[in-house]
Amino acid sequence: AQTVTQSQPEMSVQEAETVTLSCTYDTSESDYYLFWYKQPPSRQMILVIRQEAYKQQNATENRFSVNFQKAAKSFSLKISDSQLGDAAMYFCAYKARAQKLVFGQGTRLTINP
Amino acid sequence: GAVVSQHPSRVICKSGTSVKIECRSLDFQATTMFWYRQFPKQSLMLMATSNEGSKATYEQGVEKDKFLINHASLTLSTLTVTSAHPEDSSFYICRPGGMGTNEKLFFGSGTQLSVL
Repeated sequence: AQTVTQSQPEMSVQEAETVTLSCTYDTSESDYYLFWYKQPPSRQMILVIRQEAYKQQNATENRFSVNFQKAAKSFSLKISDSQLGDAAMYFCAYKARAQKLVFGQGTRLTINP
Repeated sequence: GAVVSQHPSRVICKSGTSVKIECRSLDFQATTMFWYRQFPKQSLMLMATSNEGSKATYEQGVEKDKFLINHASLTLSTLTVTSAHPEDSSFYICRPGGMGTNEKLFFGSGTQLSVL
């Protein structure tokens, strides 16, 4: 079965600095998607960024970017110029076609002013 | 992105009563609805998957008689927690699936259920 592992239960960063959240996954599929979701105190699941496995280019959304290493099955999220509003739980997730969405355990990110 | 409406956002009920949670897909046809449960400080766990017009499939360990799912239309799915008990207190979130999602995978806003 596919698994997603986030090895950092908690991370903290100074405002305006850069932080990287780690995620590894296990799969035998070649065609799949990877996601990072943000869950603020409101508990709304917000899609931060998505990566298609067949694309070699790393996805980028404004201050958020990923480092996708397919061979290593690694999918880290980099947040640049961290802002107070970035404080939240971050979940890494994996999905192959016609399969279930699988979540990691989550990383709680704290932004220090 | 896809617009998903989930109601209520918060509900408090007495033990033994039933609670209905609605999830609406407002801008695309949701042929499938995924229902998740999230306990405090934990990740989301898939409870069940419903397909429009057919019976839902439940994950291992989820009681189908306690968590009734109805997916009568392409825009509406409901989750009814029957005879709720304090251990059912949790955060419940829906996610519609189907053509038009383009694998963007958007979620409802969630329902916090508290059973007294």
